[in-house]
Amino acid sequence: QKEVEQDPGPLSVPEGAIVSLNCTYSNSAFQYFMWYRQYSRKGPELLMYTYSSGNKEDGRFTAQVDKSSKYISLFIRDSQPSDSATYLCAMDRGADGLTFGKGTHLIIQP
Amino acid sequence: EPEVTQTPSHQVTQMGQEVILRCVPISNHLYFYWYRQILGQKVEFLVSFYNNEISEKSEIFDDQFSVERPDGSNFTLKIRSTKLEDSAMYFCASNIGQLDTQYFGPGTRLTVL
Repeated sequence: QKEVEQDPGPLSVPEGAIVSLNCTYSNSAFQYFMWYRQYSRKGPELLMYTYSSGNKEDGRFTAQVDKSSKYISLFIRDSQPSDSATYLCAMDRGADGLTFGKGTHLIIQP
Repeated sequence: EPEVTQTPSHQVTQMGQEVILRCVPISNHLYFYWYRQILGQKVEFLVSFYNNEISEKSEIFDDQFSVERPDGSNFTLKIRSTKLEDSAMYFCASNIGQLDTQYFGPGTRLTVL
C-alpha cells in the first residue's frame, strides 16, 4: 500500500463550482498536512498547512483533516480558470522530508 | 517577498558526466532540502540538510549524490556520474524550522542524454 494515495484526475469542473480534492494516507506518524499548487513545469507553491484534525479556511480555500480516517481534503469555492493546476497533498512526520501524493490535475472550464 | 532561487533552469548533460545544481535558499532559513520529480510522477524527497550536515536522506540519495553549502548563501546538489534515469525536475526547498512550511524553488530540469 502506498503511503499517500491521490487520484491523478484530470478533474474538470465549470467555473464557479465547488471543487473537492482528496488524499488518503496509511502512515499514522504523519502529523502535518499541506496542500501545494503546481503549475506546469514550475515549483510547488504552498496553499494550506495544517497540523490537527478539523478545518482551516483561507479565502476560497478550506483544508480538512480527519486523522482517525487518515483522510485529508481541500475545497475550493467559486473556482476560477486561474485555479487550473495540479494540486499536491503533502505530509510530514516532523523528522525528514515531505511525502507527496501524485497530484490531481484540475481543469476549470470558463 | 523572499523566494528560493535555482540555477540553471534547464541543464542538458551526457550520461556519465557530473552536474551541479545550485540553489539559493531564503536568507534566514536554516533547513534545506532537495526533491526530484520525474516527468509524470510524484515529487520525491532526496535529502535534508541542517547545520552543515545531512539530517536525513532517502533511498534515492545514493553515493552518486552529494550536497554542500559552500558559502553562506548557496546550497548545491552534485550528481557525480549521471544516468539516463536521473532526468527529472530537481527542486530545492528551505524552511526556518524543521516543522515550518517548506518553500520551494522553481526547479532545474535535468536532461541526461
